[in-house]
Amino acid sequence: QPVLTQPTSLSASPGASVRFTCTLRSGINVGSYRIYWYQQKPGSLPRYLLRYKSDSDKQQGSGVPSRFSGSKDASTNAGLLLISGLQSEDEADYYCAIWYSSTLVFGGGTKLTVL
Amino acid sequence: EVQLVESGGALVQPGGSLRLSCAASGFTFSNYWMSWVRQAPGKGLEWVANIKQDGSDTYYVDSVKGRFTISRDNAKNSLYLQMNSLKTEDTAMYYCARDLPLDFWGQGTLVTVSS
Repeated sequence: QPVLTQPTSLSASPGASVRFTCTLRSGINVGSYRIYWYQQKPGSLPRYLLRYKSDSDKQQGSGVPSRFSGSKDASTNAGLLLISGLQSEDEADYYCAIWYSSTLVFGGGTKLTVL
Repeated sequence: EVQLVESGGALVQPGGSLRLSCAASGFTFSNYWMSWVRQAPGKGLEWVANIKQDGSDTYYVDSVKGRFTISRDNAKNSLYLQMNSLKTEDTAMYYCARDLPLDFWGQGTLVTVSS
């Protein structure tokens, strides 16, 4: 089982809110980790969006709009990326990552389609 | 302005070697951990290795341990990745990025391992 699991794809309409999940493997407690989120548009570099561990330990990437936010769901052992007021330009792949066992582990990524 | 410029990518045969370079500017290079991240064609992000500010500590993904070596020259503001015993599965775009949170990325350099 992978360390981080992300759904392959998501779709939503402009103006809607969307939630990305990044589920940590059983036995790895989401509460203990900073979750990093990245956006990659087709043909472009990855872009750092934000980091979230708790409300007191979080960081927004430079120039990243506040409609991008992080959270966690302890009940499902998942890190969350929330995008509100979805825009067509948000269509991209989204990756989560954690520093785990002396390595940086990325999730497989979620492709967001803005309908 | 932070800039990271990779070079050294090429077509190489399986079993061959390659040395990637990353020239950094616009920030105090010696103050930051640095990483190499790769992305195979059409695939997700995979962290490869990182190195501490003074080069005294390094970490690698399991798949490259013993084959790849990350290093840096702070006097030249440069990061390196020596890749030996290359395999076809090492084919990817290789990015250098400023560690963690990987907030700045270079444009990448393409490594193709093929006979």
